[in-house]
Formats: sequence, structure tokens, C-alpha cells
Amino acid sequence: GAVVSQHPSWVICKSGTSVKIECRSLDFQATTMFWYRQFPKQSLMLMATSNEGSKATYEQGVEKDKFLINHASLTLSTLTVTSAHPEDSSFYICSAREAGNTEAFFGQGTRLTVV
Amino acid sequence: GEDVEQSLFLSVREGDSSVINCTYTDSSSTYLYWYKQEPGAGLQLLTYIFSNMDMKQDQRLTVLLNKKDKHLSLRIADTQTGDSAIYFCAEGLDTGKLIFGQGTTLQVKP
Repeated sequence: GAVVSQHPSWVICKSGTSVKIECRSLDFQATTMFWYRQFPKQSLMLMATSNEGSKATYEQGVEKDKFLINHASLTLSTLTVTSAHPEDSSFYICSAREAGNTEAFFGQGTRLTVV
Repeated sequence: GEDVEQSLFLSVREGDSSVINCTYTDSSSTYLYWYKQEPGAGLQLLTYIFSNMDMKQDQRLTVLLNKKDKHLSLRIADTQTGDSAIYFCAEGLDTGKLIFGQGTTLQVKP
């Protein structure tokens, strides 16, 4: 199957700093990428959908200035958590989909801990 | 609205069958998915079913879909300890968005 690589797999940062998470499709062109957030023992909640070359569409309640999403190429999307605070600590997972393909492939996730 | 519900916990003995149930509300789903998540890991797609099918079998996995009742189930035959994980059902909309259930923790006792 298609491979989606997410980096880093875990990161610890100080409160007030920004953290960038990368999501790459390794063997297909990801026209659409999705960013999810998962709190401990809870489901995945979609944060935003990004189409290559366009601005991301954010779900209700997600601050677009807090969670900056860039999808500048067909193989890379980035999520930047700006001015991170402890409540942003979570597991962030991306998924990527190729145009014309219904299935979306998931990265392995990034565990963010803000101290 | 979009909502997917699952039972939170299931415990079975090794060798038994496991059945995990899921209900959803959106009628516009195209595919329905089952994902497995092991501790600290991402999601692994186990299987999926197109919304106009009612059954799909893949080795030890059987997916049943009752579209009228919006009910989906995953049966794992001959459950092994390595099957212990959290299982998420997800409804795929035609936009590509996935709506996830809250996950069912499967505990397999030796």
C-alpha cells in the first residue's frame, strides 16, 4: 500500500515555542491531506483538510492562527503549532489521499508534549 | 449530523471470536473503515467496505454492513493476543473526510 511518513514521531517543547510537524507521501501524489488530533483514550478529531496549493479548511473550533497548515507540494504538508501550551499536548496524525482515490493513508503520528 | 458510536471495551479469550459493533448517522457515506491502533502508534487500516455492500471477508476478518440500520460490525475469528488493541470504525464521506468512532479497546485473555 501507499506510504505516508510523519516526522517527528515525538517531540517535547517548551511552552511558548512553535513546533512543526511534517507529513510526506512517499510514493504517490497527495492532492488532499487531513490533520487529526487524538486525546488520550479518545477518538481522532479532524482538525483541517488541505488541498495542494490552496488554503486549508479548518473544522469548527480549531484556531487557524494557532495551527498553521501548509500544503505547498503534492508530497508534503506541514502543521505548525504556534506558541504551544501544555493543553496542546496531544497525538497528531495526518492522512493523505490521491486525487480519484477514496482511500486515505495515515502517517504514524506525532506525540507532542508541551512542558 | 455526523456521528459514529462504538462500545468502549470488549474482552474475549484467546481462540474465541470477537465482534465489535459500530453505528453511524450520515447516509452519504461512501466507504466504511476499520482501523487498528496499538499503544503509541498510528492507525493501521484493517479493512473497509463499500457502502452498497453488505458483507466482506478478509482472512480472519468479516465485516457486516446493515445500511438500513446504519450498523457496521467487525468479526475477528480465532482472536489472538496480538489482536489486543483499540479498534476504530470510521465513516468515509464523499469529500474524503473520515468521521471516527471513539474506539473499542479489545482485550484478549490467554
